[in-house]
Amino acid sequence: GAGVSQSPRYKVAKRGQDVALRCDPISGHVSLFWYQQALGQGPEFLTYFQNEAQLDKSGLPSDRFFAERPEGSVSTLKIQRTQQEDSAVYLCASSSMTSVRASEQYFGPGTRLTVT
Amino acid sequence: KQEVTQIPAALSVPEGENLVLNCSFTDSAIYNLQWFRQDPGKGLTSLLLIQSSQREQTSGRLNASLDKSSGRSTLYIAASQPGDSATYLCAVKGNAGNMLTFGGGTRLMVKP
Repeated sequence: GAGVSQSPRYKVAKRGQDVALRCDPISGHVSLFWYQQALGQGPEFLTYFQNEAQLDKSGLPSDRFFAERPEGSVSTLKIQRTQQEDSAVYLCASSSMTSVRASEQYFGPGTRLTVT
Repeated sequence: KQEVTQIPAALSVPEGENLVLNCSFTDSAIYNLQWFRQDPGKGLTSLLLIQSSQREQTSGRLNASLDKSSGRSTLYIAASQPGDSATYLCAVKGNAGNMLTFGGGTRLMVKP
């Protein structure tokens, strides 16, 4: 069955460029999460949506980071004026309608962003 | 703020050995704990999820235990195989919020 998909899988950006990363969650999954994983480290939470509502954006590292999910399905993470410290793998996860607290998060393959 | 630590950071064992990966967390007010596997260039695959009221979960050669009061979990892998080589991540979900807080992972290499 279709899992969480992300595109592009790899992105190289020059410092100062804007980038947009896309996440397609599992069909019907209400909740969507973005995480950032630096090389050799565990993922760190960025932001969380329930349907189209962004309920938690406490993990976004700066105002250069912006996420949206306008129709409650596909989500886009946008990074403006990229910096070298933004280089990381960006992971998207979704979870089902039934009890967000108890349900597992299913992860996509990630987008590896390299800022040169 | 919840902090999750995994020890060791890397582990190399010969095929067939039983091994234990450790995870500790600072805030015992957790909702559940998950163990994930991550292969190079791939996303995370969930291995086991333990609710806060549970003590352990088993799946095949994997067994995960949870001692919430002491802030510890272990992942036991029996009869390790080269295909088990991957990074293993521990993550907790707190009672407040829905996000997962991850440890730094243990990079496992099983040599044939």
